[in-house]
Amino acid sequence: DTGVSQDPRHKITKRGQNVTFRCDPISEHNRLYWYRQTLGQGPEFLTYFQNEAQLEKSRLLSDRFSAERPKGSFSTLEIQRTEQGDSAMYLCASSNLGTGDNSPLHFGNGTRLTVT
Amino acid sequence: RKEVEQDPGPFNVPEGATVAFNCTYSNSASQSFFWYRQDCRKEPKLLMSVYSSGNEDGRFTAQLNRASQYISLLIRDSKLSDSATYLCVVRELNTGFQKLVFGTGTRLLVSP
Repeated sequence: DTGVSQDPRHKITKRGQNVTFRCDPISEHNRLYWYRQTLGQGPEFLTYFQNEAQLEKSRLLSDRFSAERPKGSFSTLEIQRTEQGDSAMYLCASSNLGTGDNSPLHFGNGTRLTVT
Repeated sequence: RKEVEQDPGPFNVPEGATVAFNCTYSNSASQSFFWYRQDCRKEPKLLMSVYSSGNEDGRFTAQLNRASQYISLLIRDSKLSDSATYLCVVRELNTGFQKLVFGTGTRLLVSP
């Protein structure tokens, strides 16, 4: 399968713990996005990488959130000192800059986080 | 005001019906427009891009009205498998970075 893969699929953690999610984009894709989705809402943009550079961060991304894409391939999203309000589906998506502005986003299956 | 607004539904229609979804967006500088489909507990997937001249893909027709900042999706001859949430998506240019902004989605339920 050469699609976007995310790990883990599900994560249950206690409030105050740190969690880290991983995303492996489609190999030739140089753009990588993180979105968050809660029940009944559409995905909300969190952050964007072009290759290894983090070019945009949403105001939704508090200081407890950090994302990296060290070699321009896979990316990690870390949440420190989790809160119950962080419970959501975290979606990673990738696209190819080379195919133009209308290149679609390809989403992974997401990581569902539950903070108890 | 939300950047992209949709009626959350649900729209309950029988098989074979024609159903239309509407979406409005607030940023007049928005550049590109899409409809994504999302099945329950699955990731969103691109259904179709939306062009100013309108475009059709089988039973699906998308329309864009830039003056009114309005996008529509028409589904003809609905199938049971069309049951899903349809997300209206707008690409905004923001200081050199193009961000996709999603609406909350419109839920469609097609019944036998």
